[in-house]
Amino acid sequence: DGGITQSPKYLFRKEGQNVTLSCEQNLNHDAMYWYRQDPGQGLRLIYYSQIVNDFQKGDIAEGYSVSREKKESFPLTVTSAQKNPTAFYLCASSIFSGGYNEQFFGPGTRLTVL
Amino acid sequence: ILNVEQSPQSLHVQEGDSTNFTCSFPSSNFYALHWYRWETAKSPEALFVMTLNGDEKKKGRISATLNTKEGYSYLYIKGSQPEDSATYLCAFRGTAGGTSYGKLTFGQGTILTVHP
Repeated sequence: DGGITQSPKYLFRKEGQNVTLSCEQNLNHDAMYWYRQDPGQGLRLIYYSQIVNDFQKGDIAEGYSVSREKKESFPLTVTSAQKNPTAFYLCASSIFSGGYNEQFFGPGTRLTVL
Repeated sequence: ILNVEQSPQSLHVQEGDSTNFTCSFPSSNFYALHWYRWETAKSPEALFVMTLNGDEKKKGRISATLNTKEGYSYLYIKGSQPEDSATYLCAFRGTAGGTSYGKLTFGQGTILTVHP
């Protein structure tokens, strides 16, 4: 089955630790995205990648880092510099980043920093 | 950061009621407006992509309209059913060449609860 997988579903970390969230897609999509959702707020874009080995900052990139070494993978690292990392994180992909292409979403990872 | 607003924030209706909610977005540099449905414990799924002023799209009991000149889109649900309960998200894409072309800017969503 084609789709997007995120792991783990729930993640707990101690304050001050970096943590990496996994996102893998087998849809052969060029573009991938990371969003954060907080209660009462919409999806806010953290980083996006239009093609392998390239990525751009979204609206709330501070305290996060990404890599795009393979087309199918776009891991997100939440660093200790992120002031309020507890949130729900969604990964998405699309055929390419522009046009009328819809984005397909993974199931999400809920990160709790203790 | 672009301003995409949805109203109301939440809505409770009875089964069989028809309902509608609004997405407001910048009226300049418009390229497309997406609607997504996000059910609890599932991933958001695309409903519509609206591209031209005056567009109307329909999928079953759900339909959407678009006014790019004034910067709003309406989503309508006719005869709501409990399975329509979800968060409905709209997302704006700006024109090519601009900074908002390669990404979607989402509204905060409207949470719809349909009571049996």
